Order: sequence, then structure tokens, then C-alpha cells
Amino acid sequence: GAGVSQSPSNKVTEKGKDVELRCDPISGHTALYWYRQSLGQGLEFLIYFQGNSAPDKSGLPSDRFSAERTGGSVSTLTIQRTQQEDSAVYLCASSAGLAEFYEQYFGPGTRLTVT
Amino acid sequence: GDSVTQMEGPVTLSEEAFLTINCTYTATGYPSLFWYVQYPGEGLQLLLKATKADDKGSNKGFEATYRKETTSFHLEKGSVQVSDSAVYFCALSDGSARQLTFGSGTQLTVLP
Repeated sequence: GAGVSQSPSNKVTEKGKDVELRCDPISGHTALYWYRQSLGQGLEFLIYFQGNSAPDKSGLPSDRFSAERTGGSVSTLTIQRTQQEDSAVYLCASSAGLAEFYEQYFGPGTRLTVT
Repeated sequence: GDSVTQMEGPVTLSEEAFLTINCTYTATGYPSLFWYVQYPGEGLQLLLKATKADDKGSNKGFEATYRKETTSFHLEKGSVQVSDSAVYFCALSDGSARQLTFGSGTQLTVLP
């Protein structure tokens, strides 16, 4: 079946512009996670959703970052006024639930380059 | 907070050599432990996992045992293949959200 998909696969933007990154989770998966993979910071957790709710936004790097999820499915990560340090690969993962035995399935990522 | 420390890379081995990649963790609760693999040009894939102390995860000839007394989850394989060349990440999940905390990754290259 279809896995987690993300779009765009690559995004080059100018410093100061806003970007939107999209994640389509596996159908029926209630939990959705956003991570960032960068050279300096490795793989870091940003935010998760259970259904449409994001109970804890403390992992977001700054208030320029926001995320939403609608219909318990698609999620969008928005970065406002992008900075060069936002350049990274943004990964989305979904799982059937939050319990420890549910595997997280990762998408291919969106490579963001801020020039 | 939670953290994962894994062996620095890169690691280069000849085909059929024995592989060990060390991983230790710090967690406040009772985490589940994972090894993820990222093949060139591909996304992260779960390789194996263990959810409680003394559990052994295994897949594709790789093994790792959850050692609570040493807070370790070392990855081993008895005979590596060229196709095992990839980046390996040790990770834990803890807390109500079960988000993953990753180690820095270890690049493995296997030469024929």
C-alpha cells in the first residue's frame, strides 16, 4: 500500500520568504510526527499530532514555525520568514497510535534550502 | 532529558566482517529502543526494536539486546554485505507522545 508521502521533495527559497511543507500520512494512522535532519543538529523532533491535536509545541525551534493537521490526515508545516539555519531535510512520520509497539513510518523528506 | 549516544563513524569494513555499532542511552522513564537505517537516497526505515529490558530485536541478520543495567542497545551483525552500506541510527521513544530521540548516526561502508 501507499506509504507516507511528502511534498515538495526539494524546495529552494530566499531568506525571508515563507514556505509550506506537506505530509500525507498512511491512511488510518492517527499519530503524525515532524522531525528535522540537519548537519549541525542531527535528527530532532519538532511536533506530533494525535488526530488533529498537537498537545505539545515546545519542540518547534522558534515561533516562526507552525504546523496544523486537518481531517486527521494531511499535515502542513509552515516556516515564516525563513532563515539560513532553517536549511535541513524535514521528515514526516506516521503511526497507527501512540503506544510503544506502534512503528513510525517515515516519508522521503523535503529538502529545504534557504539562500 | 532523554539522549542517545552512538559510536562515531564512519565505519568501513570488508564483506563478511563482524559489525558492532555501540549505542547507549539516558532516559527518565522506561523507553523502547530502536535501530533505524537510511540507505543511500532512501528514507528512514525501522531495522529492529526492543520494548523492554532483556528483549532482543533482530532483522536481516542484525541483532540488538536491550540492556537496562548498562543502558545500552548495541547493534551487531555476524557477516556484513556490501548491501548493508547505509547510515544507522539508534533511537529511543519515551513519554506519552512516543516521539523518537535519535543518536547522531553511524555511516557504514562495506567493501567487496
